[in-house]
Amino acid sequence: DAKTTQPNSMESNEEEPVHLPCNHSTISGTDYIHWYRQLPSQGPEYVIHGLTSNVNNRMASLAIAEDRKSSTLILHRATLRDAAVYYCILNQGGKLIFGQGTELSVKP
Amino acid sequence: GAVVSQHPSWVICKSGTSVKIECRSLDFQATTMFWYRQFPKQSLMLMATSNEGSKATYEQGVEKDKFLINHASLTLSTLTVTSAHPEDSSFYICSARETGATNSPLHFGNGTRLTVT
Repeated sequence: DAKTTQPNSMESNEEEPVHLPCNHSTISGTDYIHWYRQLPSQGPEYVIHGLTSNVNNRMASLAIAEDRKSSTLILHRATLRDAAVYYCILNQGGKLIFGQGTELSVKP
Repeated sequence: GAVVSQHPSWVICKSGTSVKIECRSLDFQATTMFWYRQFPKQSLMLMATSNEGSKATYEQGVEKDKFLINHASLTLSTLTVTSAHPEDSSFYICSARETGATNSPLHFGNGTRLTVT
């Protein structure tokens, strides 16, 4: 299985942008990059996904490197409710294999 | 938006008994659903892929006779933990995506906290 690598934890201040990095150097051409986040004792929540081009939605932006070996999830203005574990996952044939994710803490 | 409902949200059972967990897609059809398990402070571990009308595909190391999966309709998959033991205590999470949309996002249930005493 292709794997992703993320920092274990990151800190942010409220109302500031947050850039969450992810490396996926063994990505293949058809693998979509998915991001989910999980609050304690809840199921993961979809954030965003993309293949090659940068993507924007109401929750976040996804910047994908030209060689697709890395990507960055961008939260434009962090709020306290954005504190969660963020998972970067490659969609391989429909299956999502979770890595350890990045625990994001947001300081008021 | 697409909703996946999981029931029960928590269950406590005695060692040796079986527990059934239901996963329903409320407003879409799902040929394929996925079952995950999550221990405290750890990531989600994929247990099996549930296929409507056919046998589930289990990940390596997951006992198919212990974790029975049935996917009898396009909106319902069930996971039965048979002869549960304390080491089976965990957070079980199901997910589903719309039929035919392999690259679209997965929708997750809110999980079932199983405690085996």
